[in-house]
Amino acid sequence: GENVEQHPSTLSVQEGDSAVIKCTYSDSASNYFPWYKQELGKRPQLIIDIRSNVGEKKDQRIAVTLNKTAKHFSLHITETQPEDSAVYFCAATNSGYALNFGKGTSLLVTP
Amino acid sequence: DTAVSQTPKYLVTQMGNDKSIKCEQNLGHDTMYWYKQDSKKFLKIMFSYNNKELIINETVPNRFSPKSPDKAHLNLHINSLELGDSAVYFCASSSKLVVSRGYNEQFFGPGTRLTVL
Repeated sequence: GENVEQHPSTLSVQEGDSAVIKCTYSDSASNYFPWYKQELGKRPQLIIDIRSNVGEKKDQRIAVTLNKTAKHFSLHITETQPEDSAVYFCAATNSGYALNFGKGTSLLVTP
Repeated sequence: DTAVSQTPKYLVTQMGNDKSIKCEQNLGHDTMYWYKQDSKKFLKIMFSYNNKELIINETVPNRFSPKSPDKAHLNLHINSLELGDSAVYFCASSSKLVVSRGYNEQFFGPGTRLTVL
């Protein structure tokens, strides 16, 4: 089955800096790569996603890049703010039915 | 207005008991899921139902039995609860026919924190 590796497991940045989280996947048939944000005690919520026919997607301060050849994708957050502090999960799927999640990155943005 | 709801929010029970968690979605989605999030925050798919039919059943002990009475509901029944079952269980739903922000965005419920003593 699909195996998604995510790094780093924890990330601490100062407010205003950029944050980058990287994921790799094993199944070359995977075609959908969402990123979820989970605040403490809350449900995971989709923040951005990318399909395999696109190399990059941006939504305000967040962007995702995908390298199909290398089978890795990354989340970029610019101008970080304290409210960006949360656990971020990458995921991959080839079926459209089940998301295979990475183990999460705990991001802390300090003022 | 809640899109995906779960009951109960908290569940504390003794080892060996049987318990159920209910999930309902009012988004008109045709696919529903159960995920388990362990103490290390790892999210893992357990089951997926499409139009009331089981399509994904990961390596989950057969003490866990999902039931989908209709497309809007997916309940999870757990027999003979064990200490290792303690976790947060999330229900989610999606639809390939409904294009929102993403190709197949999954909407998660608020989670049920299960504690087995």
